[in-house]
Amino acid sequence: DGGITQSPKYLFRKEGQNVTLSCEQNLNHDAMYWYRQDPGQGLRLIYYSQIVNDFQKGDIAEGYSVSREKKESFPLTVTSAQKNPTAFYLCASKSGSAKETQYFGPGTRLLVL
Amino acid sequence: QKEVEQDPGPLSVPEGAIVSLNCTYSNSAFQYFMWYRQYSRKGPELLMYTYSSGNKEDGRFTAQVDKSSKYISLFIRDSQPSDSATYLCAMRAADYKLSFGAGTTVTVRA
Repeated sequence: DGGITQSPKYLFRKEGQNVTLSCEQNLNHDAMYWYRQDPGQGLRLIYYSQIVNDFQKGDIAEGYSVSREKKESFPLTVTSAQKNPTAFYLCASKSGSAKETQYFGPGTRLLVL
Repeated sequence: QKEVEQDPGPLSVPEGAIVSLNCTYSNSAFQYFMWYRQYSRKGPELLMYTYSSGNKEDGRFTAQVDKSSKYISLFIRDSQPSDSATYLCAMRAADYKLSFGAGTTVTVRA
């Protein structure tokens, strides 16, 4: 059963704490993306990776970090430098074909305690 | 001005009505156009994907692209309560980056 999984579904962060969101895909897609969704706003791109061991900043990368050590995995760390982390985080992936589009995981909701 | 404009609604219609959703954009380089459906607290799911101007139909759903007017539409015929969701338009040029509308929340009343 191919798809994108994200865990956990809900995550709570304390002040000054770093937290890591997991994203795994078994679609054999080359590219992976992280978005943030806030109420009433469109999705905003945090980071993306088009190939293993390479990634680029999106529009709102400050306070976040990523790694891409395996094709299937693209974890996102929300650092203590991100002052407003409460949001719905979405991971997406895409094949290498230029005409293909992105498919999304189920999301992780991050809340600050 | 945002690159993609989408009326956030909310939009409420009776069951069986036609739902009409639209987005306008400013970047003439956009050539791939998508509609995603997002249920509450879920990830977006791809509904329609079109390349270039014209119409595309899939069951009760029709997507229209008018590049000359920089305007895209999604029509849902014979709407059902299960169509109640937020609908996101998205588009991109030849590169990787998707630009999203803010989403329109639709409620279909039984």
